[in-house]
Amino acid sequence: DVKVTQSSRYLVKRTGEKVFLECVQDMDHENMFWYRQDPGLGLRLIYFSYDVKMKEKGDIPEGYSVSREKKERFSLILESASTNQTSMYLCASSLVGTGESFTFGSGTRLTVV
Amino acid sequence: KQEVTQIPAALSVPEGENLVLNCSFTDSAIYNLQWFRQDPGKGLTSLLLIQSSQREQTSGRLNASLDKSSGRSTLYIAASQPGDSATYLCAVIVDKLVFGAGTILRVKS
Repeated sequence: DVKVTQSSRYLVKRTGEKVFLECVQDMDHENMFWYRQDPGLGLRLIYFSYDVKMKEKGDIPEGYSVSREKKERFSLILESASTNQTSMYLCASSLVGTGESFTFGSGTRLTVV
Repeated sequence: KQEVTQIPAALSVPEGENLVLNCSFTDSAIYNLQWFRQDPGKGLTSLLLIQSSQREQTSGRLNASLDKSSGRSTLYIAASQPGDSATYLCAVIVDKLVFGAGTILRVKS
């Protein structure tokens, strides 16, 4: 069964901390994405990557960065966590080309205090 | 800018009813459309992918249709069960996913 695995289900971090959210997929997908989901705002795209070492800004990249050193791993980095980054973070992957479906991980609920 | 709207926002039905969830999008230049299910506090589970050249897809009790020209998709759930209770999200695929806000479904036993 193909999988997208997010390393943590729940995280609590302090304001100002550097936070790493990890996502690993075992499907050899080229494309990987990070979304955040908030009540009333739905899912919003933060960053995505079409290949190793490539990254593209999504709709709300401010306060975030990403790293893709290996094809299977896409990391989301909060350089200095703030309370407004408290959210559910969802990672997804897909094959190259737009005919393929997206597979999501189980999500990381991040609370910044 | 592509916008996706889902109606109704919430739906409560008795067990056994057939039901329809609606999704509309503003720009018909999409590649595909995907329906997802999300349980509270969990990630997204893919239900159906409809490619732009297709009119519908079926999986078990689920049937999804796509009319690109009118910018609409529907998800039909037959003989609903309490286990179908979840949030249903529709997303159009351009170079990325653009999501609707979802329909919260509650099936009462």
